[in-house]
Parts: sequence; structure tokens; C-alpha cells
Amino acid sequence: NAGVTQTPKFRVLKTGQSMTLLCAQDMNHEYMYWYRQDPGMGLRLIHYSVGEGTTAKGEVPDGYNVSRLKKQNFLLGLESAAPSQTSVYFCASKGNSGRAPETQYFGPGTRLLVL
Amino acid sequence: SQKIEQNSEALNIQEGKTATLTCNYTNYSPAYLQWYRQDPGRGPVFLLLIRENEKEKRKERLKVTFDTTLKQSLFHITASQPADSATYLCALDTGGFKTIFGAGTRLFVKA
Repeated sequence: NAGVTQTPKFRVLKTGQSMTLLCAQDMNHEYMYWYRQDPGMGLRLIHYSVGEGTTAKGEVPDGYNVSRLKKQNFLLGLESAAPSQTSVYFCASKGNSGRAPETQYFGPGTRLLVL
Repeated sequence: SQKIEQNSEALNIQEGKTATLTCNYTNYSPAYLQWYRQDPGRGPVFLLLIRENEKEKRKERLKVTFDTTLKQSLFHITASQPADSATYLCALDTGGFKTIFGAGTRLFVKA
């Protein structure tokens, strides 16, 4: 049981380049999330998904797109990277038992540097 | 506006003492509140959850209190150890899909 995994762990991009961050979970969780974490600002929600084939915008969605084609995977895309997108990106997943509050399980993070 | 505040200054304590971290919030009505631990270079890890109708929750050396009147949660680590050094995040849930995270407080426990 690997939990939540993220690929890659670290990436350097030039301004204007594109890339996709991959997140996978093996806990059969319904909900998945992408956050960015910047110093002093905590975790900010970029996009989230409440099930396969559905996505929704979070607090800071501009410049990012997501897809959830399979329940276990949640992809975050940057179409044209900007230096302001330099950050650490965390993926998380959460179950939906319907009976009790659920906690989020986080991946190890992807460090992205945009030059 | 909605806000979660955690002490941005690091907390330095001596081994064996009790560490107390504070989480204050405004303009939320959380259904429950969570505390997570985050080590450098790693993702947050869940520690404790407390519901709005609970005053206190304990797990081993950890204790969380939740005062919905004061809009405050306190997180205590008793008999602290250097291994407890980390950043601790407070998180609020209103019962929907999203969780709102505070910026975290860094704790340093000196041997």
C-alpha cells in the first residue's frame, strides 16, 4: 500500500514551458486535491475532484488545469509556466465514508522551479 | 473575510516541557478541526481530529482542545522530545469537500 505518490519529485522549467504533475493513490479514495505551498502562506487549494471525471476550481486555479480520467489518478498541468508558479505542489486524497469525518492523505510533494 | 491564524513565529522549548500551539479562526463555522504534522521536505501527516461538539481529544502525548465560542483550538504536546520538532498545521472543515489550512507553526524542541 503506497498511499499517495507524486511524480516527479523535482523539476526545473523555463518560463513558457509546459509540464504535467502526476498524482496516484491506491486507497480507493473519492476525493483528490492539488495544493501549492509557499513560505508563510500555508497550503492553498488549486483544484480538486470529488470523483472520476469531475474537477472543480479551488482558491488559486489560474494558470493550471487538471484531469481525473481514472479514480486513482489526478493530473495537474501547467500550460505555460511562469516564475510565480515556483512552489512546492502537494497532492492529497480523502475518502468519503458518509458516516464520519475523513482526513486527507498527502503525497511527498513536487518541488517546481520556474526560471 | 475568512481567516485561520497560527503563530508565525517559531516556538522553542526545552525537552520534557509541554508545547502549546494556538490556532485561531474567524468567519468560519467548522464542523471539525484537524491538526497535521509536517517535516521538512515532506507532506503533512494527520495527527488528531476534533468535532465541533467535543471540547478535548487526546492521543498519547497529544491533546487538542476546541472552543467554538472563542474560535480557537489549542494543541499540546506533553513531555516533548527533539523528535517532535516539526511544523504543525491547523485545518478546518465545514463538512464539505474542502479543508482550509493554516500556515503552520514551527516547533523546535531542544535536548
